[in-house]
Amino acid sequence: QVQLVQSGAEVKKPGASVKVSCKPSGYTFTDYHMHWVRQAPGQGLEWMGWINPNSGGTNYAQKFQGRVTMTRDTSISAAYMELTRLTSDDTAVYYCARGATTTGTKRGFDFWGQGALVTVSS
Amino acid sequence: DIVLTQSPGTLSLSPGERATLSCRASQSVSSSYLAWYQQKPGQAPRLLIYGASSRATGIPDRFSGSGSGTDFTLTISRLEPEDFALYYCQQYVASPFTFGPGTKVDIK
Repeated sequence: QVQLVQSGAEVKKPGASVKVSCKPSGYTFTDYHMHWVRQAPGQGLEWMGWINPNSGGTNYAQKFQGRVTMTRDTSISAAYMELTRLTSDDTAVYYCARGATTTGTKRGFDFWGQGALVTVSS
Repeated sequence: DIVLTQSPGTLSLSPGERATLSCRASQSVSSSYLAWYQQKPGQAPRLLIYGASSRATGIPDRFSGSGSGTDFTLTISRLEPEDFALYYCQQYVASPFTFGPGTKVDIK
């Protein structure tokens, strides 16, 4: 069965960086795009960007350009999202979610990680 | 960017009743790349509907989606106790893959 397992909760100080991992299983890692979505406390869902694990190509939301980097390690089938220059506004649960196939079949985000809470506080 | 608006913000209904949730896009969502998700407190979102009207694997048939262009609807034919939750629509036709603000379905 498909599962996406994320790294644990983090507490960071303003100005620091955080790197969240996502390790999927149950399917071929390089066959599907991986998206990152965040949710601030009590708020809605905010799409951050995606990575094509096959090519390493990325597409980031304009809001996060220059602060976010999405990478992958195909040797261990893991995806990563790093966010720099953190502020209190970045306090949120960060989710990875499986998206379209790398050949272009789109069916929404069909599997999600359990989420990783990142708290930014001095 | 495609902006999604959901209505109503909150829907108060009783178990067994029919729920109708609306999602309107600021521009046409081509190929009906519109999805619906359910989210319960402390849980990740769960895909219910993709392609505007296709149920995801394992989703009960009381959930149905319809619409095209800029107007989409999620219908829950008979609310079960486990259906009281938050519902989001999302367009995934083009980056940024925006979500609507959500509709909360709560118990009347």
